[in-house]
Amino acid sequence: EVQLVESGGGLVKPGGSLRLSCAASGFTFSSYSMNWVRQAPGKGLEWVSSISSSSSYIYYADSVKGRFTISRDNAKNSLYLQMNSLRAEDTAVYYCARDADTAGFDYWGQGTLVTVSS
Amino acid sequence: EIVLTQSPATLSLSPGERATLSCRASQSVSSYLAWYQQKPGQAPRLLIYDASNRATGIPARFSGSGSGTDFTLTISSLEPEDFAVYYCQQRSNWPPLYTFGPGTKVDIK
Repeated sequence: EVQLVESGGGLVKPGGSLRLSCAASGFTFSSYSMNWVRQAPGKGLEWVSSISSSSSYIYYADSVKGRFTISRDNAKNSLYLQMNSLRAEDTAVYYCARDADTAGFDYWGQGTLVTVSS
Repeated sequence: EIVLTQSPATLSLSPGERATLSCRASQSVSSYLAWYQQKPGQAPRLLIYDASNRATGIPARFSGSGSGTDFTLTISSLEPEDFAVYYCQQRSNWPPLYTFGPGTKVDIK
């Protein structure tokens, strides 16, 4: 069974940093691109970042470019999102999602809440 | 940047009725057009990919169609569990960046 479990969310002050993790199991993690998607309270979905299977290709939404860094450790079946210079507008539930290429984001974690507030 | 517009914002229907949801792109998109369902407190669930292919385990009452700039998700006969928010998603050709539409809420009339 495919499972994605996010962790690392919490309350952080504006300007602070946080590192999210996503532990994957039930599939060959190293064969898939992965994504982070976020959802602000009561709002829609926003794609944040993607990373290819071997980390060769990395992309970011303009809203987080230069502040967030996506990475992965295929030996540990884990995906990460390092978030720096956090702003109030980064407050959201952050989901990791498996990328099935043209077949969409086929598996999602349950999400971890990041709250940026003083 | 491709912008996705979904209409209507809210669709009020009764169980058994047909739901037709629209997703329009600001410019022609590749065949990558996906639909997701999200219920309160839950992660999104993939319904449709490549505009018209049902994801694994998705009931046949869900269907997708369209190309270019206009796409449609149809639920042929609403079941109680189908009342949720639906998002479309596209991926630009290069660089491969993703965009979600603002969503359509299907609620019980």
